[in-house]
Amino acid sequence: DSGVTQTPKHLITATGQRVTLRCSPRSGDLSVYWYQQSLDQGLQFLIQYYNGEERAKGNILERFSAQQFPDLHSELNLSSLELGDSALYFCASSVNRQNYGYTFGSGTRLTVV
Amino acid sequence: SQQGEEDPQALSIQEGENATMNCSYKTSINNLQWYRQNSGRGLVHLILIRSNEREKHSGRLRVTLDTSKKSSSLLITASRAADTASYFCATGPNNGDKLIFGTGTRLQVFP
Repeated sequence: DSGVTQTPKHLITATGQRVTLRCSPRSGDLSVYWYQQSLDQGLQFLIQYYNGEERAKGNILERFSAQQFPDLHSELNLSSLELGDSALYFCASSVNRQNYGYTFGSGTRLTVV
Repeated sequence: SQQGEEDPQALSIQEGENATMNCSYKTSINNLQWYRQNSGRGLVHLILIRSNEREKHSGRLRVTLDTSKKSSSLLITASRAADTASYFCATGPNNGDKLIFGTGTRLQVFP
């Protein structure tokens, strides 16, 4: 157990639907990062939150949104789902200082059918 | 977009042999990190090397960094079957702390 909890582990949904992925960071970590991993695109950075505020944005589609709550857990919302959104979605947390590594969750495997 | 390109994409060796993976990146960095991922699982942080360091060791792992060539290598000595996994380099930029990951090397160690 890495200390970063992601739920659900697996999600199967139809095109056009909306889903919410949840992440609880490791105790004491203020930063949460979301990544998408697909076979053809590798590990893509989506978005970072630090202590409730958006800190950095990557290749995140407009159909996707995220937030970090006062208790520091984060949710990634994916809407109007397309087949191409099928991927592993990882959350990672860190102490938000340079020269520190990330702790990753075990991921949510999203399958859009 | 990916910052790093890793080479080779796939590597197969026998137990006991050494495995070397290379990573090249494009922009200036604050640090470079290596992660390991077992099939379909979360990534695990292995080692971090700062931009002002040239070499770092951790157990059977040795990492080198050449900032003039924008490249790094990860050496795993005396490989074991349990080292079978994908290995990713990730770069930490000078501005901010979000990591950009490379494309990964798939290592297979045969018993």
